[in-house]
Amino acid sequence: EVQLVETGGGLIQPGGSLRLSCAASGFTVSSNYMSWVRQAPGKGLEWVSVIYSGGSTFYADSVKGRFTISRDNSKNTLYLHMNSLRAEDTAVYYCARDRLVGSLRGGFDPWGQGTLVTVSS
Amino acid sequence: DIVMTQSPDSLAVSLGERATINCKSSQSVLYSSNNKNYLAWYQQRPGQPPKLLIYWASTRESGVPDRFSGSGSGTDFTLTISSLQAEDVAVYYCQQHYSSPYTFGQGTKLEIK
Repeated sequence: EVQLVETGGGLIQPGGSLRLSCAASGFTVSSNYMSWVRQAPGKGLEWVSVIYSGGSTFYADSVKGRFTISRDNSKNTLYLHMNSLRAEDTAVYYCARDRLVGSLRGGFDPWGQGTLVTVSS
Repeated sequence: DIVMTQSPDSLAVSLGERATINCKSSQSVLYSSNNKNYLAWYQQRPGQPPKLLIYWASTRESGVPDRFSGSGSGTDFTLTISSLQAEDVAVYYCQQHYSSPYTFGQGTKLEIK
């Protein structure tokens, strides 16, 4: 079964750091474009970051310079390293695969269940 | 950055009636090399992660009921639910994954009238 499971969320003080993990099963993380998407309480979806199969990384302006996306191929796991956290980073963080249909990218599927990050003193 | 704008923000439709949600992108999301629009539609029920409904603007994901359909190309897209069922109450998002940042629309909340 193709599945993603996020861990690592919690309560963190402003200015702190946190690392989120996203363990994949049923497919190979390094062969896909993998993204992080967040959702602030009661708000819409905000794309955060992507790592391409070739290793290139991209970020939303709101997190650029503070967040780093990476992966561990041996563990088939995606990460999001978050530094200098702010109250406005409070959200449920989802990981998702931009899955391949044949050789073409065909939408984000699957999604993990999400992990809540709360930035507050 | 490509800006995605959905309309309306909320929608109330009677059971069995048609629901239509529109999505407009600020730039074309059509890849000329493969003639695919990198536009997806997602359904999000309360407390759940988003679920992929439609990809390439009009291709229904496996297992999605055929009352859901997508149309459009370039910059203008539509999600249609032909006969609203109670389980379709949710927030619907369009997203372009043509180029980074992979932006979402603001969401459309669909309710029963």
